Amino acid sequence: TAGITQAPTSQILAAGRSMTLRCTQDMRHNAMYWYRQDLGLGLRLIHYSNTAGTTGKGEVPDGYSVSRANTDDFPLTLASAVPSQTSVYFCASSRDSISGANVLTFGAGSRLTVL
Amino acid sequence: QQQVKQSPQSLIVQKGGISIINCAYENTAFDYFPWYQQFPGKGPALLIAIRPDVSEKKEGRFTISFNKSAKQFSLHIMDSQPGDSATYFCAASKAGNTPLVFGKGTRLSVIA
Repeated sequence: TAGITQAPTSQILAAGRSMTLRCTQDMRHNAMYWYRQDLGLGLRLIHYSNTAGTTGKGEVPDGYSVSRANTDDFPLTLASAVPSQTSVYFCASSRDSISGANVLTFGAGSRLTVL
Repeated sequence: QQQVKQSPQSLIVQKGGISIINCAYENTAFDYFPWYQQFPGKGPALLIAIRPDVSEKKEGRFTISFNKSAKQFSLHIMDSQPGDSATYFCAASKAGNTPLVFGKGTRLSVIA
């Protein structure tokens, strides 16, 4: 089934450790996004990439980094995790971002707990 | 500054009733207004979307009403069913390489 694959599904991480959340799409979408979802705060954009080789900062980028070496993969790295990064992380993609009519396809999410 | 304000945070509706969720925005450059539906344990999925050149869009039991002058748009779910119980997010974006901005979400519970 075409779509977005996120890994891991869930993870418990000690504070100070690093972690990479993986995201792969097979739809050849140009744009990809990372959102975090927290109760009462909705979906907040962390980083995005309009096309392979480019990235941009979203609303809450601090403590996170991304890379977009190719069209399909968009990993999110936490260099030194802190408890406030406990959240559910969603990767999403869209065919393009230029038109403004972004139809986002979301992955199933990665639940991260930082202790 | 929250670009898209959504209310209510939670909503309980009787089966067969009408569910109404409201959103307001500030940026007049926004020209695309989608609603996403999220079931527990799943990622959000596009439900319905509207452009500001129309005041209403209907797909089955789901209707978006759009008021450009008031900078408000709302989702109406007619004949609400228990299967509609989910979290609903409004969003907005503008043309160009700008990502969607989401509201904080509304948790809808439809009870029999």
